[in-house]
Amino acid sequence: EVQLVESGGGLAQPGGSLRLSCAASGFIFSNYWMHWVRQAPGQGLVWVSRINADGRSTSYADSVKGRFTISRDNAKNTLYLQMNSLRAEDTAVYYCVRESGWPKNYFDYWGQGTLVTVSS
Amino acid sequence: DIQMTQSPSSLSASVGDRVTITCRARQSIGSYLNWYQQKPGKAPKLLIYAASSLQSGVPTRFSGSGTGTDFTLSISSLQPEDFATYYCQQSYTTPQTFGQGTKVEIK
Repeated sequence: EVQLVESGGGLAQPGGSLRLSCAASGFIFSNYWMHWVRQAPGQGLVWVSRINADGRSTSYADSVKGRFTISRDNAKNTLYLQMNSLRAEDTAVYYCVRESGWPKNYFDYWGQGTLVTVSS
Repeated sequence: DIQMTQSPSSLSASVGDRVTITCRARQSIGSYLNWYQQKPGKAPKLLIYAASSLQSGVPTRFSGSGTGTDFTLSISSLQPEDFATYYCQQSYTTPQTFGQGTKVEIK
């Protein structure tokens, strides 16, 4: 059974940092591209970042570029999101998501989410 | 970025009704269109991928159609467990953008 379990969320001050982790199991983690998607309270889904299978290629939403860093450790089956210079508008539930892969690239498995609150 | 627009933003329907949600892309995305269902406090769940392919385990009352810029999600006979918010998403290009969501409520 595919499982994605996020951790690391919590309360951070504006300008502060948090690192989210996503522990993957039930599939060959190193074969899949992975993403982070966030959802602000009462709002819709917003794509944040993605990383390819070997970790060498990454992409970011403009809103987080230069502040967030996605990475992965395929030996530990874990995805990360380092979040720096946090802003109030980064407050959201952050989901770890598996991409199905070529050719249609849909998001087939989602974690349960971890809440990040940025407030003084 | 490719903007995705869903309509309506919300709808009220009764159990047994047929429901249709539309999603329009600002530019052609071929069949790179996916639909997700989200219930309150839960993660989204994949329903339909590649515009019309039913994800394994999803009831056959759900169906999708369309290509290019115009897509629809249909529920043939609404069940109590279908009251939720539905999102479309394009996976044609990065960033993979979502529609704003359609909330299906009980009439």
